[in-house]
Amino acid sequence: EVQLVQSGAEVKKPGESLKISCKGSGFTFTSYWIGWVRQMPGKGLEWMGIIYPGDSDTRYSPPFQGQVTISADKSNSTAYLQWSSLKASDTAMYYCARPRVAMMGDAFDFWGQGTMVTVSS
Amino acid sequence: DIVMTQSPDSLAVSLGERATINCKSSQSVLYSSNNKSYLAWYQQKLGQPPKLLIYWASTRESGVPDRISGSGSGTDFTLTISSLQAEDVAVYYCQQYFRTPFTFGPGTKVDIK
Repeated sequence: EVQLVQSGAEVKKPGESLKISCKGSGFTFTSYWIGWVRQMPGKGLEWMGIIYPGDSDTRYSPPFQGQVTISADKSNSTAYLQWSSLKASDTAMYYCARPRVAMMGDAFDFWGQGTMVTVSS
Repeated sequence: DIVMTQSPDSLAVSLGERATINCKSSQSVLYSSNNKSYLAWYQQKLGQPPKLLIYWASTRESGVPDRISGSGSGTDFTLTISSLQAEDVAVYYCQQYFRTPFTFGPGTKVDIK
C-alpha cells in the first residue's frame, strides 16, 4: 500500500528554522517525484516545488524559490521541506504528494496527511 | 507561469441536480504528440488532503463515482457532477501539469442548496 506519512504539527517563532518530513512507503521511492503543496488558512492550494529523490533534481515555483529548500534522503525514503528563517506568513498546512506514475508531469494521486506549521511570536 | 482560473467561485445545488465547474488555463495544456491535456481535478473536503478525481482532463481515477466527469481540451475544461450527493460538498480544484510550476486554480466551493 502506497503511503506518505508526514511529520507532526509545529509551532515556531519568527526567525526560527524548521525542517518537516514526508516518508514514503509501498513504492520505489527513488523512481517517483515528490511534490510539496502549501495551503494557507482558509485559502487554496499552491504548488511549491518537486524533487526526484533518485538524483535530487528539484524544481521550484518562483514565489518559493530561495524561500524554502526541498531535499530528499533516498536511503530513508524521506523528502523534506525546510526553512532557514520562518515568517508569520509561512503559517499554513503543507502537503507532500506523489504523481500517479513515475514521471514529473502527472497528477498527484497520493497525498500525505499534511503538516500544520504555525509561526507566531 | 500558466495561470489557472475557475468559475464560479462557489455554487449551491439541490440534491440530485447537476453541478458544473469551469476551469481555464492561460496557455494550452494540450501536448500535441499524444493529444492529451495535462489537466487534473481534485476534491478537497474540510480537514482532509485533496483527492484526485480526474486526470488527462477526462479520465476518472479508480473509485471515483461515474456521476463525476471531466471534459475539455486545450485551455477550457469542465468538471460535472451529474446528480449532486451530500458527500460531494467540498472545494474542487483544477491543476495543470503541463509545465512547471504545476499551478492550481483558485478553487470552487460546492454546497447543497
